[in-house]
Amino acid sequence: DTAVSQTPKYLVTQMGNDKSIKCEQNLGHDTMYWYKQDSKKFLKIMFSYNNKELIINETVPNRFSPKSPDKAHLNLHINSLELGDSAVYFCASSNRGLIHYGYTFGSGTRLTVV
Amino acid sequence: KQEVTQIPAALSVPEGENLVLNCSFTDSAIYNLQWFRQDPGKGLTSLLLIQSSQREQTSGRLNASLDKSSGRSTLYIAASQPGDSATYLCAVISSGNNRLAFGKGNQVVVIP
Repeated sequence: DTAVSQTPKYLVTQMGNDKSIKCEQNLGHDTMYWYKQDSKKFLKIMFSYNNKELIINETVPNRFSPKSPDKAHLNLHINSLELGDSAVYFCASSNRGLIHYGYTFGSGTRLTVV
Repeated sequence: KQEVTQIPAALSVPEGENLVLNCSFTDSAIYNLQWFRQDPGKGLTSLLLIQSSQREQTSGRLNASLDKSSGRSTLYIAASQPGDSATYLCAVISSGNNRLAFGKGNQVVVIP
């Protein structure tokens, strides 16, 4: 199946821990994104990579570090997790040059920090 | 900065009624507008994508219109069914910064 897949689907961890979320797309897109959906269900962009190059970096704490080993993968590493990091994190992809074809989203990772 | 607003935030309708969901955006310089559906605890499913040069798109019972100059889009769902119960999200890609900006969604409940 062509898709954006992210793992894990659920992540429960203690404050202060470091965790990673992985994302892969097999759509041949050149741009990938991380979005955060807060408790009020509002989706906000965090990062975007185009061909492994960081192109969008919103006001996100330094504890969040994206890594793109190739254009099909964009991982999100979070250091020193805090309670306020609890949210659903969505990965997405698009073709920046063919941006009129829209975005495809993964199914989300629900992160709970206790 | 692009701001996307969706009205109403929540609505309940009896089965069989037509649904009308409204979306407005502040900056008309967009590449396209995309409507998504999100079920509770699930990801986003793309429903319709309207290019900036188009006026509407249709898929089955769904029809989305776009009036770019006035910064508005409307999603029509004909003859609603309980399975249409979900949150519908409107999002636009601004041509100025290539970013996809979301509204806060229309939470829909279709009552059998």
